[in-house]
Amino acid sequence: DAKTTQPNSMESNEEEPVHLPCNHSTISGTDYIHWYRQLPSQGPEYVIHGLTSNVNNRMASLAIAEDRKSSTLILHRATLRDAAVYYCIREHTGNQFYFGTGTSLTVIP
Amino acid sequence: NAGVTQTPKFQVLKTGQSMTLQCAQDMNHNSMYWYRQDPGMGLRLIYYSASEGTTDKGEVPNGYNVSRLNKREFSLRLESAAPSQTSVYFCASSETGFYEAFFGQGTRLTVV
Repeated sequence: DAKTTQPNSMESNEEEPVHLPCNHSTISGTDYIHWYRQLPSQGPEYVIHGLTSNVNNRMASLAIAEDRKSSTLILHRATLRDAAVYYCIREHTGNQFYFGTGTSLTVIP
Repeated sequence: NAGVTQTPKFQVLKTGQSMTLQCAQDMNHNSMYWYRQDPGMGLRLIYYSASEGTTDKGEVPNGYNVSRLNKREFSLRLESAAPSQTSVYFCASSETGFYEAFFGQGTRLTVV
């Protein structure tokens, strides 16, 4: 199956780090992992992507397991604006990118 | 910078009617995508276009057709709308592949 597996929901306190897990056990060696998030009533927005090594950008960090069967999106300090549905996406054959059902993140003030 | 623009934002159709959803991007991107989003099901890929002049089926293409009119525009057509096509439709574009794709704000379609 080309889709990933994520928990349905998670909660975090404001200003604490958040670790969002994703399983992609059938991933092949050249498939990138992409993370997008969707704020309420908006289209998804890009967060980060990676292949093998850990990646950082201004929004988040991505930690990819050595066997590449799982990854974790890390938000270093959750804010109320980070409340969204987070999608972990792996590439499928050719140019196809399939979303799963994502993790709904609630940030508690 | 408009990014990805979808029209219309809302539409109500009767069963059997046809319509075209429009999508345009101003970022000179090569790849464009159409997704639909239903409650509790995440986004599902309908069709995509890796480059101008090419289109390919995604996960749920039945009942839809697409046209990559030029590099900027990628339209989605429903020839005979059905209630099962009630959904929110998102268009996206990226320079290549799905790296750092930009999404439009969506079209909420209701078929009655």
